[in-house]
Amino acid sequence: KQEVTQIPAALSVPEGENLVLNCSFTDSAIYNLQWFRQDPGKGLTSLLLIQSSQREQTSGRLNASLDKSSGRSTLYIAASQPGDSATYLCAVKGNTDKLIFGTGTRLQVFP
Amino acid sequence: DTAVSQTPKYLVTQMGNDKSIKCEQNLGHDTMYWYKQDSKKFLKIMFSYNNKELIINETVPNRFSPKSPDKAHLNLHINSLELGDSAVYFCASSQGRDSPRAFFGQGTRLTVV
Repeated sequence: KQEVTQIPAALSVPEGENLVLNCSFTDSAIYNLQWFRQDPGKGLTSLLLIQSSQREQTSGRLNASLDKSSGRSTLYIAASQPGDSATYLCAVKGNTDKLIFGTGTRLQVFP
Repeated sequence: DTAVSQTPKYLVTQMGNDKSIKCEQNLGHDTMYWYKQDSKKFLKIMFSYNNKELIINETVPNRFSPKSPDKAHLNLHINSLELGDSAVYFCASSQGRDSPRAFFGQGTRLTVV
């Protein structure tokens, strides 16, 4: 049974810092991995998607890497800003066409 | 235009009532989902429909009955609501297993009192 864990559960940093959010999964037989952002009281916004054959994806100040064999992904946020404050969720898709979500990392970036 | 839209956004109701949440997607996707986010913010799949057919049913009580009148709509009907049903329910869609990206609605916050 696939289990997805995210560390840390919460993170509070000053503006400008570079951040690393971690995601680990127990079953390496995944189809893809997706990082989402959730703002309080809002839906999920897809940030980055990495196919199982890829090693990383980049979008602006965000970079996500995938090491499928070790069951790990990291989301790197460069030069963090207060607007980055949100909960970040990783989710893996296996062969059953459903997303298995991690426990989330609640990020607060203060000025 | 909103890609995946859910109504209502908020729903407060008493125990024992029956309620429905509607979801529509205008992306032309074949697959739609319902996810539940509990009080600890953990998201878990409930149902998946592909072209109006049930694909995934994740051990959800049979008080929950999804209905897909066409592939652009997946509604969730809940009978005999219980306090533990309080959660945020998210609808999502994708172009099926081979499509990488899932698109989520804004969520429906259900509170059972």
